[in-house]
Amino acid sequence: KAGVTQTPRYLIKTRGQQVTLSCSPISGHRSVSWYQQTPGQGLQFLFEYFSETQRNKGNFPGRFSGRQFSNSRSEMNVSTLELGDSALYLCATSWGASLPDNYGYTFGSGTRLTVV
Amino acid sequence: QKEVEQNSGPLSVPEGAIASLNCTYSDRGSQSFFWYRQYSGKSPELIMFIYSNGDKEDGRFTAQLNKASQYVSLLIRDSQPSDSATYLCAVIQGAQKLVFGQGTRLTINP
Repeated sequence: KAGVTQTPRYLIKTRGQQVTLSCSPISGHRSVSWYQQTPGQGLQFLFEYFSETQRNKGNFPGRFSGRQFSNSRSEMNVSTLELGDSALYLCATSWGASLPDNYGYTFGSGTRLTVV
Repeated sequence: QKEVEQNSGPLSVPEGAIASLNCTYSDRGSQSFFWYRQYSGKSPELIMFIYSNGDKEDGRFTAQLNKASQYVSLLIRDSQPSDSATYLCAVIQGAQKLVFGQGTRLTINP
């Protein structure tokens, strides 16, 4: 079966611009989480969506936002880009269930964002 | 205190030996625990999950969970050079918020 698909794979943007990243989950997965990964900070949780609702949110400024559509695909948006937003953005999807059906999250290949 | 803590390493282990990776977590209410492996330039991949106290074995991997002491560990037996990667401990908090540790970089020396 198809895995988690993230587009685009690479992006170069200028400071002050905005960017939208997309994540298509594995069929049947209803939970989508977004992470920012940098060498210094590791994997930082951005937010998690389930059935079009944001269930969890990390400690990122309001410039970072997301949404989920009825087909479980999700997008995240970063407005007014800063140099420090350069990172690998990963989405991870799962069934969204609690124990005992929680089999963890499957990651996409990520979007490498460079802000210049 | 960080929510999930791991020794960043690097941890160097000779080929064929047992690699032991440790993780502690702060939220006593956490119920689900995961180990992910991340090769350089790749995304994390799930290798083990554990919910109940005790040991869980899968091939060369054994996950150990002690909820009273709030730690999770991963043992890799008969370590191979292909096991060289960063190992990420992750914990589910509340409603499906998956929080990661900083990761431990493991190097297996031939």
